[in-house]
Amino acid sequence: VQMTQSPSYLAASPGESVSISCKASKSISNNLAWYQEKPGKANKLLIHSGSTLQSGTPSRFSGSGSGTDFTLTIRSLESEDFAVYYCQQYNEYPLTFGSGTKLEIK
Amino acid sequence: EVQILETGGGLVKPGGSLRLSCATSGFNFNDYFMNWVRQAPGKGLEWVAQIRNKNYNYATYYAESLEGRVTISRDDSKSSVYLQVSSLRAEDTAIYYCTSLTHWGQGVMVTVSS
Repeated sequence: VQMTQSPSYLAASPGESVSISCKASKSISNNLAWYQEKPGKANKLLIHSGSTLQSGTPSRFSGSGSGTDFTLTIRSLESEDFAVYYCQQYNEYPLTFGSGTKLEIK
Repeated sequence: EVQILETGGGLVKPGGSLRLSCATSGFNFNDYFMNWVRQAPGKGLEWVAQIRNKNYNYATYYAESLEGRVTISRDDSKSSVYLQVSSLRAEDTAIYYCTSLTHWGQGVMVTVSS
């Protein structure tokens, strides 16, 4: 299953809201996770099952979608949110990741 | 506190082999499927292999690009997982992460170069 993530780069200001899209090449039901990558830190699982927040994920993060189209939305961006985000499907093997979205401060 | 520590990386010549180890603590290791995921310099994440837990007979799955050259294994008594990689190529140069997909290590660097 190919995961097409967009945009690859996003610039926003603190307090703004942003959305990241992830499209699967075939239906993956809701078997999709979102991860956050920051330099010097372990990758962090934010959301699983398409829309379920992992324990510890702030409520300004939300996930939506099922089938082939998914969205990660971050409302009221905080400075700690500027990072790289990946989607990943775990509906079938091989597990596959999106190409990543780098969220930078405008 | 969850801790995941990968070891065994380093500089390897093309055609060589390497065994990566991953020691974990702080979560119920036996309950989780464990994975290796890699990231080439400046690139995105690429899943490498998964080993399921005892309930699923330790079934293993591999990325097609590495199948035949990698073997994943686990030792539940040590809460550890391993990755044996052979016939290494320059394109295998990457940070290799041990992960349950819920919990991630900081990764270990593998460089394949003559």
